[in-house]
Amino acid sequence: DQQVKQNSPSLSVQEGRISILNCDYTNSMFDYFLWYKKYPAEGPTFLISISSIKDKNEDGRFTVFLNKSAKHLSLHIVPSQPGDSAVYFCAANGDAGNMLTFGGGTRLMVKP
Amino acid sequence: EAGVTQFPSHSVIEKGQTVTLRCDPISGHDNLYWYRRVMGKEIKFLLHFVKESKQDESGMPNNRFLAERTGGTYSTLKVQPAELEDSGVYFCASSQVAGQPRDEQFFGPGTRLTVL
Repeated sequence: DQQVKQNSPSLSVQEGRISILNCDYTNSMFDYFLWYKKYPAEGPTFLISISSIKDKNEDGRFTVFLNKSAKHLSLHIVPSQPGDSAVYFCAANGDAGNMLTFGGGTRLMVKP
Repeated sequence: EAGVTQFPSHSVIEKGQTVTLRCDPISGHDNLYWYRRVMGKEIKFLLHFVKESKQDESGMPNNRFLAERTGGTYSTLKVQPAELEDSGVYFCASSQVAGQPRDEQFFGPGTRLTVL
């Protein structure tokens, strides 16, 4: 049973437009959520996070929105740039220690 | 400052053989994690060391997997004997302070294991 799901395996966006990546979770004990970005042959790198006490966190072009009642979060990238092309993983952490529970990833392609 | 390093980057072995993966965390990081991504699916947690002690090994799939972190520095993950379903990318991550679950986890580039 996958507790964190990213239902879109891929997304293609034009440069300069907004990219919206979605993530759903089922475990109500999760209270901290993260997005990681992964380039080929590299490990995931931390992008942005949000605590469950907030519904929005912004860092430059990246904004994460959390809807706790729907158990849904999204990552907005605006404007999208070709260098943003990568696989994006949603992850969650709760009261079960430090472990991160990841979704399956969404491959974002930003076309020039 | 060097990041998390993993060796080897690729390993191809036959079913039944033994493989040992190595991870060197960022210097001074107390926490070391192993994760695995199988067949392009989600990245799954395997275990967590705090210094040399296993804090959480709830994700270890079975007793063919043995992880060690002698001296609280680098870690090894041994798979013996390897099975076909063990193929995947094994990631190591580290974070700085013990007891701080929200500390950023820094990931290494992974070891791609292929079992034939």
